[in-house]
Parts: sequence; C-alpha cells; structure tokens
Amino acid sequence: EVQLVESGGGLVQPGGSLRLSCAASGFAFDTYSLQWVRQAPGKGLEYVSLISANGRSTYYANSVKGRFTISRDNSKNTLYLQMGSLRPEDTGVYYCARPRTQYDFSDAFDIWGQGTMVTVSS
Amino acid sequence: QSVLAQPPSASGTPGQRVTISCSGGLSNIGRNTVNWYQQFPGMAPKLLIYNNIHRPSGVPDRFSGSKSDASASLAISGLQSEDEADYYCSVWDDSLYGWVFGGGTKLTVL
Repeated sequence: EVQLVESGGGLVQPGGSLRLSCAASGFAFDTYSLQWVRQAPGKGLEYVSLISANGRSTYYANSVKGRFTISRDNSKNTLYLQMGSLRPEDTGVYYCARPRTQYDFSDAFDIWGQGTMVTVSS
Repeated sequence: QSVLAQPPSASGTPGQRVTISCSGGLSNIGRNTVNWYQQFPGMAPKLLIYNNIHRPSGVPDRFSGSKSDASASLAISGLQSEDEADYYCSVWDDSLYGWVFGGGTKLTVL
C-alpha cells in the first residue's frame, strides 16, 4: 500500500525549532518529488515547500523562506522539514504529499499523509 | 488573502447541481492546469479532479471540472449528503514558482 506517515509535531515556543518527518512506503521513493502543505486551524490549505526527487532542487513559500529547510534521505525513504524561528502563525496541521507522476513536481498530488499538528505558543 | 479566489460557501439540496468557481490570473490558471481537492473535517485532502477535467480512479462522474482563460469551475451533479465537505482549487504559479490554493469553499447539502 502506498503510504505517507508524518511525525514530529508538537508544542514549541515562539522562536523555537522543530523537525518534521514523513516516512514513505509502497512506492519508488527516489523517483518522486514531495511537498509539505499546512493548514492553520479553521483555515485553508497553504503550500509550504517542495523538493525534487533527487533532493537537489528545493522551493519554498515566501512565508517560510529562510526559516524552514526541506530535505530528504532516499536511503531511508523519509522526507524532512526543519522548521526554525517559529511564529504563532506557523501553527497548524502539516501534511506531506506526493504527486501522481514520477519526476513531475507540477502534477497534482494524489497521495497525502494524515498530517502532524504543530502548535507555536508560549 | 489567497491567490486564487473561491466563494467561501455553497449549498444545494439533494439531487441538485452545484458549481464552485475558482478565479486566478495569467501566471497560474492562465498558464497551467487546475486541480481540485475535497476535504472532510479532520481528514487529509483527497484529489478530486486533476489537469482541469480528469477524475482519478474511484471518483464518481458526478464530479466534473472545467477551465476557461484564468478561471476554473468544479461542478457536482446529483448532489448527495456525503458531498458535504470543503473544496479547494490549486494550480502551479509560474511567478511565485510554487503551488497556490484557493481559500476553500464549504459545501452544505440542505
């Protein structure tokens, strides 16, 4: 079964750091780009970051650029999001997602994890 | 403020046809294909329509998508109570070089 499972969420103080993980199974991990999408409580979906299949290309939303770092370990079938200088507005559920087709980061995302909650509060 | 504009709410009675609009610009919908996602409370989004008009396997043909210039629409015919959910449009933006989403439309089945 194709699956993405996020972990690493929790409560963190403003200015703090947190690393999210997304463990993949059931598909050729190193042939797919991956993205992080978040959703603030009661709000809509917001793209956060994207990484190419080989990890050499990374892209970020302006709202997180310079504070978040996306990476992947293809030997462990795992995607990461290192979050720093966290702000209350970073609070929300963070989803990892995979596109329909290999090597195409501009295709629709048909596989989503269940999400992990991040709360930034003092 | 979302890059893509969607109505915050829509409603219909069982059996009716409902449409949800998504308005963008030249750098996103005007150049790229639109995807639609369905989301139930507490659940991850689910891909409903991709590349403007295509349905993934398992999505009923009651759901259809269309695109014209810099706008797109999702139509749901034969509305059912289980269609009550939030719906989001999404497209790649060439200027931002990233994905953009609409603000979402909450569909209520009366």
